[in-house]
Amino acid sequence: QVQLQEAGPGLVKPSQTLSLTCTVSGGSISSGNYYWSWIRQPAEKGLEWIGRMYTSGSTNYNPSLKSRVTISLDASKNQFSLKLSSVTAADTAVYYCARDTHLDYWGQGTLVTVSS
Amino acid sequence: QAVVTQEPSLTVSPGGTVTLTCGSSTGAVTSGHWPYWFQQKPGQAPKTLIYDTSNKHSWTPARFSGSLLGGKAALTLSGAQPEDEADYYCLLSYSGARVFGGGTKLTVL
Repeated sequence: QVQLQEAGPGLVKPSQTLSLTCTVSGGSISSGNYYWSWIRQPAEKGLEWIGRMYTSGSTNYNPSLKSRVTISLDASKNQFSLKLSSVTAADTAVYYCARDTHLDYWGQGTLVTVSS
Repeated sequence: QAVVTQEPSLTVSPGGTVTLTCGSSTGAVTSGHWPYWFQQKPGQAPKTLIYDTSNKHSWTPARFSGSLLGGKAALTLSGAQPEDEADYYCLLSYSGARVFGGGTKLTVL
């Protein structure tokens, strides 16, 4: 059974970089033809797709976030990560990681608050 | 960036049938948008019900089905149960990038 778990600081100051990791267990992140995605959800609002990385290293990003987002894979740790630069209060949200292709497995989500 | 539209809210009676739709600002939704449908209950991560228009995961109840209807993606719930009360989101793909709809709050009453 594949499981995903997000981790990272719960509080980030405005203008700084938000960094999250997603640890995958129950399967290798570099085997199979999978995308690995990040999705977020502000409180009481809808879902927003952030982006995804294929096991080959190719990426797709939300155009509205593209200038600030980097998604990367670390096969040695079986993790993938999200970096979002120059954050503002509008980036406060629950951040989810998910195994893409069919978005079959999701992490439980982690709340990141942007505040000074 | 495309805008994906859903009904903000719908109500269905227990045992009844309801169809949720998912439209695109760029025109008709096709299978090439690889439509997804998700169910989200309060405090929980979303759960994928339907992928690629009409494909179900092993955990998707048989009463849920996906299709294309009138230029939109559609999620039909036949025989609604109280536990189906939740928020439902669709997701469309646009040449690699993906966009979520605003979500539909489904009430079973």
